[in-house]
Amino acid sequence: QSVLTQPPSVSGAPGQRVTISCAGSSSNIGAGYAVHWYQQLPGTAPKLLMSGNNNRPSGVPDRFSGSRSGTSASLAITGLQAEDEADYYCQSYDSRLSVLLFGGGTKLTVL
Amino acid sequence: EVQLVESGGGLVQPGGSLRLSCAASGFTLNNYWIHWVRQVPGKGLVWVSRIKSDGSDTIYADSVKGRFTISRENSKNTVFLQMNSLTGEDTAVYYCARKAGHDYGMDVWGQGTTVIVS
Repeated sequence: QSVLTQPPSVSGAPGQRVTISCAGSSSNIGAGYAVHWYQQLPGTAPKLLMSGNNNRPSGVPDRFSGSRSGTSASLAITGLQAEDEADYYCQSYDSRLSVLLFGGGTKLTVL
Repeated sequence: EVQLVESGGGLVQPGGSLRLSCAASGFTLNNYWIHWVRQVPGKGLVWVSRIKSDGSDTIYADSVKGRFTISRENSKNTVFLQMNSLTGEDTAVYYCARKAGHDYGMDVWGQGTTVIVS
């Protein structure tokens, strides 16, 4: 069981908005450590989607946005497209464990 | 082109050792922290280890602590992961990735190298 908890799956129709949550604790997200998000398409390496809570690397559409509140963070995707169907992971650092953490991953299905 | 290329994976018997390499091109490796992340096919990403840019500090996941050693040779633009006392639970695709620090995500990933312990 991951220390960062994500829903196993989310789904939405094309054009809709979905959010993926990442629940942490006071020693990681709640301690102010940055949360990053990655997208992994089948058979490929992960790709950085969101850096430092809400900074999109070059080339990432502004349909993707990140936010955080307390001990949790969220990734929102608006205007869902078929190409968004992938696995999404949150990542942060935990000061109590002194390790990096990934969430368990969320599979996004575009209906 | 900025890229990381892993190598050194393969089939090894339980109790054996492997040394993975992560070669950087298109950028200066010594400006970045390098992480190893592994993934069992069909499962999630699991962080393994990190080395800071000058090699001064390394950290490991509990599952590999005492068995794996991360190191770097900046002059060769390469980071290594020495893996000893391997078990079936170490079977995975191993990725290396660069990170500029805590506030930055892993922005460049290698293609992965497969380790099978059997």
